[in-house]
Amino acid sequence: GNSVTQMEGPVTLSEEAFLTINCTYTATGYPSLFWYVQYPGEGLQLLLKATKADDKGSNKGFEATYRKETTSFHLEKGSVQVSDSAVYFCALSDQHTGNQFYFGTGTSLTVIP
Amino acid sequence: DVKVTQSSRYLVKRTGEKVFLECVQDMDHENMFWYRQDPGLGLRLIYFSYDVKMKEKGDIPEGYSVSREKKERFSLILESASTNQTSMYLCASSPTSGGVLEQYFGPGTRLTVT
Repeated sequence: GNSVTQMEGPVTLSEEAFLTINCTYTATGYPSLFWYVQYPGEGLQLLLKATKADDKGSNKGFEATYRKETTSFHLEKGSVQVSDSAVYFCALSDQHTGNQFYFGTGTSLTVIP
Repeated sequence: DVKVTQSSRYLVKRTGEKVFLECVQDMDHENMFWYRQDPGLGLRLIYFSYDVKMKEKGDIPEGYSVSREKKERFSLILESASTNQTSMYLCASSPTSGGVLEQYFGPGTRLTVT
């Protein structure tokens, strides 16, 4: 079946530190991969996505590369800001299961000045 | 911009009450979804709908029902609320065609059942 595993938090970093949040997946078909972000008190927003192997999604300084050989989609940012404090969710959508999404459990990030 | 709205941000209900959570999207999306979000468990799919009057069970449908009478509106119903249904409820919508089928989320309803 389909599933997503992401690193547990919480993660606390100092401003300008390097961020990595690990995400691995299991899928029966050829999934599309996503990172969503949830700021305090809000719903989820799409941060970036990749639809096929070796694609790199990027947005707001965040990047993630679709690695089929390692079934991974790790989120990275070179220099985090206080405003990046949020919960980050890795997710996949598999064409064989229509429009259903499979989400990881979320990783809480706090960036301190 | 796609907009998904939910009827309440915060809701407090008593055990045994019937609870309605409403979700409306303005982008003519075919698909709509209800999730609950709990710490350490991520998002779990309750029900989804591919079309008007259609519904499909997700991973945790017990204790919930849904209604989709109009394309833009998807309601989640707790027939008899219980304390273990205290949670954050998130609605989402997505199109059927047009490339990668990203889901768009509402702001969430935090429901407390006492």
